[in-house]
Amino acid sequence: QVQLVQSGVEVKKPGASVKVSCKASGYTFRTSGLSWVRQAPGQGLEWMGWISAYNGNTNYAQNFQGRVTMTTDTSTSTAYLELRRLRSDDTAMYYCARTYYYDSSGYARRSALDIWGQGTMVTVSS
Amino acid sequence: DIQMTQSPSSLSASVGDRVTITCRAGQSISSYLNWYQQKPGKAPKLLIYAASSLQSGVPSRFSGSGSGTDFTLTIDSLQPEDFATYYCQQTYSNPPITFGQGTRLESK
Repeated sequence: QVQLVQSGVEVKKPGASVKVSCKASGYTFRTSGLSWVRQAPGQGLEWMGWISAYNGNTNYAQNFQGRVTMTTDTSTSTAYLELRRLRSDDTAMYYCARTYYYDSSGYARRSALDIWGQGTMVTVSS
Repeated sequence: DIQMTQSPSSLSASVGDRVTITCRAGQSISSYLNWYQQKPGKAPKLLIYAASSLQSGVPSRFSGSGSGTDFTLTIDSLQPEDFATYYCQQTYSNPPITFGQGTRLESK
């Protein structure tokens, strides 16, 4: 079945970096894109950015510009999120989610996030 | 960025009730509005896309409506498994995608 499986729990110190992986299976990886969404404890959903698995193009949310890098490895159908200069307020569950173009147009507006990974908890603490 | 505001922030209801959750966009977003359900400790699940289209496998008691700035998610005949938090999401201005703050649906 179509699924995204993420890497495990991370505990980091402030100022460090973290790299989270998201392995896709059950569909052709390069035909879609992936968003990364995070959720601080007890809080709502925050979109971090998007990467095309076809050509590696990215769009990052303004809040994370300069601290985040999203990449893919098409040979292993895996996407990666790297977040640098971690702060305590980066403590959150990090999700990858597949972009679903509901009219097959590839148009960003006509999309939703249809398959989600199970989440990776990242804790930043000294 | 387009701000999305949901109301109410929390809601108490009973099994069998009809429940409506509202999402308002800070500007017109046409019908580029999706709804998600999230249960505790789980990833969000897509329920409705394009304001009113039911995602495959989602029960027909869920429905969405609206366009422009005002949208609603309706659950007819609430079931025990429907108690969860619901989020709206706009993709009109993409990037960035923005979510509403969530509506927590609790058992009365």
